[in-house]
Amino acid sequence: DAGVTQSPTHLIKTRGQHVTLRCSPISGHKSVSWYQQVLGQGPQFIFQYYEKEERGRGNFPDRFSARQFPNYSSELNVNALLLGDSALYLCASSFWGEGDTQYFGPGTRLTVL
Amino acid sequence: KQEVTQIPAALSVPEGENLVLNCSFTDSAIYNLQWFRQDPGKGLTSLLLIQSSQREQTSGRLNASLDKSSGRSTLYIAASQPGDSATYLCAVLALSGAGSYQLTFGKGTKLSVIP
Repeated sequence: DAGVTQSPTHLIKTRGQHVTLRCSPISGHKSVSWYQQVLGQGPQFIFQYYEKEERGRGNFPDRFSARQFPNYSSELNVNALLLGDSALYLCASSFWGEGDTQYFGPGTRLTVL
Repeated sequence: KQEVTQIPAALSVPEGENLVLNCSFTDSAIYNLQWFRQDPGKGLTSLLLIQSSQREQTSGRLNASLDKSSGRSTLYIAASQPGDSATYLCAVLALSGAGSYQLTFGKGTKLSVIP
């Protein structure tokens, strides 16, 4: 079975631009979570979605938004990019979303110049 | 606010040694604790998950323990191998102030196993 997939692998943007990151969960998983990992730090929780509804939101500005589609794939959108948004963005999927093991994708490396 | 601390930040050991990685968390009201492995520039691989009611979990050469009351967990790696070289992350799942479950990660321990 395919694991969690994310696209694109790498992305370079300039300040002020907008970016969309995509995630496909493991088949059968209904929950998707997004994390931001700045170099040298642990991942920080951004959003969790379950059955297309937002279940949780971390301490991130409104420039960050996400959605989940009927096939359980998800998009993370970031507007008005700042240099500090440069990070590895990780997507994780799980069946229920609460308490069960999360399976992480390879991540999207975003560089903001 | 939940905070997770991992000590040491980096560790270098010769091949074959047994080693222990430490994780501490500030709020003992957790749902579970997970240990992950991360290779450079890659995503996370789940190693072990310990429910709050459990004391330990084992998988092959890995053993993780949980002392919820004291806010501590350890990851024991037996007979280390060069392929174990990676960053090991500890994460706790707990209810946030907003009422949803959130994973809070430590900064990780970077392990180097020298052949």
